[in-house]
Amino acid sequence: QQQVKQSPQSLIVQKGGISIINCAYENTAFDYFPWYQQFPGKGPALLIAIRPDVSEKKEGRFTISFNKSAKQFSLHIMDSQPGDSATYFCAASIMGDDMRFGAGTRLTVKP
Amino acid sequence: DAGVTQSPTHLIKTRGQQVTLRCSPISGHKSVSWYQQVLGQGPQFIFQYYEKEERGRGNFPDRFSARQFPNYSSELNVNALLLGDSALYLCASTPWGAQETQYFGPGTRLLVL
Repeated sequence: QQQVKQSPQSLIVQKGGISIINCAYENTAFDYFPWYQQFPGKGPALLIAIRPDVSEKKEGRFTISFNKSAKQFSLHIMDSQPGDSATYFCAASIMGDDMRFGAGTRLTVKP
Repeated sequence: DAGVTQSPTHLIKTRGQQVTLRCSPISGHKSVSWYQQVLGQGPQFIFQYYEKEERGRGNFPDRFSARQFPNYSSELNVNALLLGDSALYLCASTPWGAQETQYFGPGTRLLVL
């Protein structure tokens, strides 16, 4: 059922560094690409999202880069902080229906 | 405002039993979706309901069923439980006019022994 491939599985970054997580999708009909952050024992929380008509979206320290021709998108976390340590999921959907999630990336930011 | 609430938080069942999980969406949200999250994996879509009608269904067997009530709360039922049904079951609600923006509850962790 997975149509979104996410990498890496895990990532360790020093405090202040840049965290980069990548996703690739197959279905060109997808028109909404969100990123979710999940802490242990909690449900996923929407972090930032992009539509395929723009190539980049920035919200604070979080940036999505989107490459429609390559069917890839990525999350960049600038100035990574220990509080950013969580599992991150990319996802894709068609008008919000049947959201497909990647397998997740466990990010650890070392102080 | 209260977020999405789910009950119970944890549940232990044995193989072959049936389970009912409950979800209350954020006030004013009319759409509810259910997801299964197996440990170490991303959530997988099970059902979406909007205005009490099934709007979408993922690739899950008929043992899984759901419904939405007039107050927009929802129940997910799983019959004839298998060990592989052990997972975190997540409910997400969506506001009117913003179908993509899903707000997740904390989930119900189901363990099947």
